[in-house]
Amino acid sequence: QQQVKQSPQSLIVQKGGISIINCAYENTAFDYFPWYQQFPGKGPALLIAIRPDVSEKKEGRFTISFNKSAKQFSLHIMDSQPGDSATYFCAASRANQGGKLIFGQGTELSVKP
Amino acid sequence: EAGVAQSPRYKIIEKRQSVAFWCNPISGHATLYWYQQILGQGPKLLIQFQNNGVVDDSQLPKDRFSAERLKGVDSTLKIQPAKLEDSAVYLCASSLVYGTPLFGNTIYFGEGSWLTVV
Repeated sequence: QQQVKQSPQSLIVQKGGISIINCAYENTAFDYFPWYQQFPGKGPALLIAIRPDVSEKKEGRFTISFNKSAKQFSLHIMDSQPGDSATYFCAASRANQGGKLIFGQGTELSVKP
Repeated sequence: EAGVAQSPRYKIIEKRQSVAFWCNPISGHATLYWYQQILGQGPKLLIQFQNNGVVDDSQLPKDRFSAERLKGVDSTLKIQPAKLEDSAVYLCASSLVYGTPLFGNTIYFGEGSWLTVV
């Protein structure tokens, strides 16, 4: 049962461009929406996260936009750099399920110099 | 601060053999998770512990997978007998307390144990 759908599967962006990755969820009980970054051979690392009562959160070059009515959220990477090349996963969790994360399928981002 | 430690990093076994993975969470973290990440997919939770008790094992294939967390610290995940479809990365993660990650209860992942079943 797919509860978090992520797109695109892969993305190629030029250095300095904007990378945009989208996710859609089904369960309105979700109350925490993180983005994880994973480099080859490494485990996922928390990048940025948002609550459903906030429409946007920005940390440096990374911004989450959240649309509660559409049940969608997205990650924007401004001024993309080759070092941002990694796989990005959106996820969601519910407060009454502890820290259980439901992950999207992942987006492989490649930033070309 | 040391991260989540996992071993072995890589393992190749034949189908029907057994394998065990070990995880040492971040010191003081009460909650421990095992996730399975199949190539090209997002991680999927297999089992979640609070201290040494299981709080969620709904997606653990209990006919072949088992996990324990003795003394509420280290954990071992075992697969017996392995199937070809068990080829994946097994990620261990931990968080300070059992509860939502909303208020700083960040979930930290280890680098994973890569399993290939041939």
